[in-house]
Amino acid sequence: RKEVEQDPGPFNVPEGATVAFNCTYSNSASQSFFWYRQDCRKEPKLLMSVYSSGNEDGRFTAQLNRASQYISLLIRDSKLSDSATYLCVVPRTGSYQLTFGKGTKLSVIP
Amino acid sequence: DVKVTQSSRYLVKRTGEKVFLECVQDMDHENMFWYRQDPGLGLRLIYFSYDVKMKEKGDIPEGYSVSREKKERFSLILESASTNQTSMYLCASSPDPAANEQFFGPGTRLTVL
Repeated sequence: RKEVEQDPGPFNVPEGATVAFNCTYSNSASQSFFWYRQDCRKEPKLLMSVYSSGNEDGRFTAQLNRASQYISLLIRDSKLSDSATYLCVVPRTGSYQLTFGKGTKLSVIP
Repeated sequence: DVKVTQSSRYLVKRTGEKVFLECVQDMDHENMFWYRQDPGLGLRLIYFSYDVKMKEKGDIPEGYSVSREKKERFSLILESASTNQTSMYLCASSPDPAANEQFFGPGTRLTVL
């Protein structure tokens, strides 16, 4: 299994839809996980952190399944402004480094 | 607000030239990182630094070197640029070893002809 693996998409969804992305990771010792968002031609920015079973922030919910080693990001009531690439990020154990997934591209269409 | 700035948004250089990419952060962060981002390959770590004058190789250090003479500044050097170094280069910083959030600069799009 690759260190961090994501479905590249693109996911094309209508406004108001609910969409979910999955990310699998290989290091079973990982304790924390992150979702970053990267807009077109912009830098990545932290969207959400996941330290236990999950985290919710408004329309965004991140869930962690340690047994199956995957993280998911759920976006409810999609907005046009949610169009971006979503990067799954896993810290490397005992290191300052982060491993970034290749990203899942989301396009929300009117 | 944390601010990470990079010296150029776009840069065009010729094969064999020595190239300097500069990154400055204004939040007294300990750790700084250089990545390159290519379509289909994602973000890959080139070098990082956890203190002044300290540096560690990342996943793809070949053809690059770095310099960190001051805490706020982290430079990436391409000793002899090659066409396969055409890429988007992103600098990031984070406050301490336990902090996993990295703050990114706007990136430098480097084209090597």
